[in-house]
Amino acid sequence: DVKVTQSSRYLVKRTGEKVFLECVQDMDHENMFWYRQDPGLGLRLIYFSYDVKMKEKGDIPEGYSVSREKKERFSLILESASTNQTSMYLCASSFGDRERQPQHFGDGTRLSIL
Amino acid sequence: EDKVVQSPLSLVVHEGDTVTLNCSYEVTNFRSLLWYKQEKKAPTFLFMLTSSGIEKKSGRLSSILDKKELFSILNITATQTGDSAVYLCAVEPSTDKLIFGTGTRLQVFP
Repeated sequence: DVKVTQSSRYLVKRTGEKVFLECVQDMDHENMFWYRQDPGLGLRLIYFSYDVKMKEKGDIPEGYSVSREKKERFSLILESASTNQTSMYLCASSFGDRERQPQHFGDGTRLSIL
Repeated sequence: EDKVVQSPLSLVVHEGDTVTLNCSYEVTNFRSLLWYKQEKKAPTFLFMLTSSGIEKKSGRLSSILDKKELFSILNITATQTGDSAVYLCAVEPSTDKLIFGTGTRLQVFP
């Protein structure tokens, strides 16, 4: 079974802090994704990566950055956390285009910014 | 702008009922449509649909796609309390990216 592991289930941080959310997958997937999920808005794509050291902006990248130094790990960084970044963050991974396989999700990190 | 719309937003039924969840979409390109089930944690994959008119089935769940009318339905027969969840529809308009609807919350009462 595919395993996508997010480092924290719940996290509380303060405004202005630099926040790191970590995601690790064990299936040698090329693609990795970060979404946020808010009531009434669904899942929205923040950033994604097709390969090591490669990143692409999603639909709502403002206030976020990412890092992919190793194939299995994709980190989401909130450079200076703000209260409007309080949300559920979901990481996902999938094989590259040739495989036509679905994205698999981690359990999510519920982040509160005070 | 690409978008995915799910209906109804929420649904309350009794065990044994049959439910139909709807997903309509407008995208510039279409590669596939996916259904996920989300309980308290990770969305779990149910179906991937790429061709019109071919039903995908897994136990009491089934889904079909209509690429001409730009919609898909997810059917659940003989519902059980364990079917209570948010059901997410997503469309893949280009390589590997997904656009999600806001989901349908299904509650099944004994």
